[in-house]
Amino acid sequence: TQLLEQSPQFLSIQEGENLTVYCNSSSVFSSLQWYRQEPGEGPVLLVTVVTGGEVKKLKRLTFQFGDARKDSSLHITAAQPGDTGLYLCAGGGGSEKLVFGKGTKLTVNP
Amino acid sequence: NAGVTQTPKFRVLKTGQSMTLLCAQDMNHEYMYWYRQDPGMGLRLIHYSVGEGTTAKGEVPDGYNVSRLKKQNFLLGLESAAPSQTSVYFCASSPGTSGRAFGTDTQYFGPGTRLTVL
Repeated sequence: TQLLEQSPQFLSIQEGENLTVYCNSSSVFSSLQWYRQEPGEGPVLLVTVVTGGEVKKLKRLTFQFGDARKDSSLHITAAQPGDTGLYLCAGGGGSEKLVFGKGTKLTVNP
Repeated sequence: NAGVTQTPKFRVLKTGQSMTLLCAQDMNHEYMYWYRQDPGMGLRLIHYSVGEGTTAKGEVPDGYNVSRLKKQNFLLGLESAAPSQTSVYFCASSPGTSGRAFGTDTQYFGPGTRLTVL
């Protein structure tokens, strides 16, 4: 069974701080997606990475796919209150189901 | 475009009652999915469909049935609701352009249905 472990589970920081969220597995994935979910809404895709070692940037967010395609990280620079939400990683690409991590709940305080 | 819509938004059932959740998408997507989200458990796939008239089991299919009679609609049924089915249910769709149900397509999620079974 493929599993994705996300850490930390909860993160509360002050505006302007930097943070990193991790998504780890013992399994290899063809692709890794990151979603953000705000309270009362469905998840929204932020990025998809497909190549080992790939780095993608989305404004203040930097996503990295591990060389072995077993792990990924999300780094946020100078966090803002608007970054508050639940961050989910999801692995897929094969014949198996899309596997979601349990999420990291981020709170950015003004 | 409305994207993915779900009805109802909230529902309270008594144990043993039945209900149907409706998901509709207007993006002409091939693939559709039903997930449930529980605290500390993340998103878990219930059933999915790779095209009109097709359905398949996901990770937690027991107690649920689905139908995809029209491409734009995906129905989730609970025949005899149990308290363990109290959850937030999300529908999602994806284009299917990757050729695989769980490839690199973006999944577009609906706003969710909060179901409580007493």
